[in-house]
Amino acid sequence: EVQLLESGGGLVQPGGSLRLSCAVSGFTFSTHAMNWVRQAPGKGPEWVSGIGYSGGNTYYSDSVKGRFTISRDNSKNTLYLQMNSLRVEDTAVYYCAKPLVGATKIFESWGQGTLVTVSS
Amino acid sequence: DIQMTQSPSTLSASVGDRVTITCRASQSISNWLAWYQQKPGKAPKLLIYKASSLESGVPSRFSGSGSGTEFTLTISSLQPYDFATYYCQQYHTYSLTFGQGTKVEIK
Repeated sequence: EVQLLESGGGLVQPGGSLRLSCAVSGFTFSTHAMNWVRQAPGKGPEWVSGIGYSGGNTYYSDSVKGRFTISRDNSKNTLYLQMNSLRVEDTAVYYCAKPLVGATKIFESWGQGTLVTVSS
Repeated sequence: DIQMTQSPSTLSASVGDRVTITCRASQSISNWLAWYQQKPGKAPKLLIYKASSLESGVPSRFSGSGSGTEFTLTISSLQPYDFATYYCQQYHTYSLTFGQGTKVEIK
């Protein structure tokens, strides 16, 4: 069974940093691209970032480019999102998402999410 | 970025009704469109991809159609566990975008 478990969320002041982690099991992590998707309270999902299976290719939404960094450790079956220069509008539940096999941009499995609150 | 616009925003329906949700893209996305269902406090669940391909395990009362800029999600006979919010998502470009959602409520 595919399992995705996010951690690292919390309350942070504007301008601060957080590092999210997503520990995965139940599939061969090193052969799958992965993504982060967030959802602000009462809003629809927003794609944040994606990374290729080896970590060599990374992609970001314009809203986080230059502030967030996605990475992965295939030896630890873990996906990361380093978030710097956080803004109030970054407040959301952050999900890691595994894509459908052969389709890196369709989200087949999701974690339970971790809440990031940016507030003074 | 490609903008995705769903209509209606809210839909009131009864068990057994046929329900149709529309999603429009701001430019052509061929058939690179997915639909998700989300219930309160839960992550979205993939229903349909490539506009009309049913994800494994999803009931056949769900169907999708369309190409280019206009797409529809149809539930042929609404069941009690189908009351939820539905989102479309384009994956034509890597700046992936979602619609704002359609909430299906009990009439």
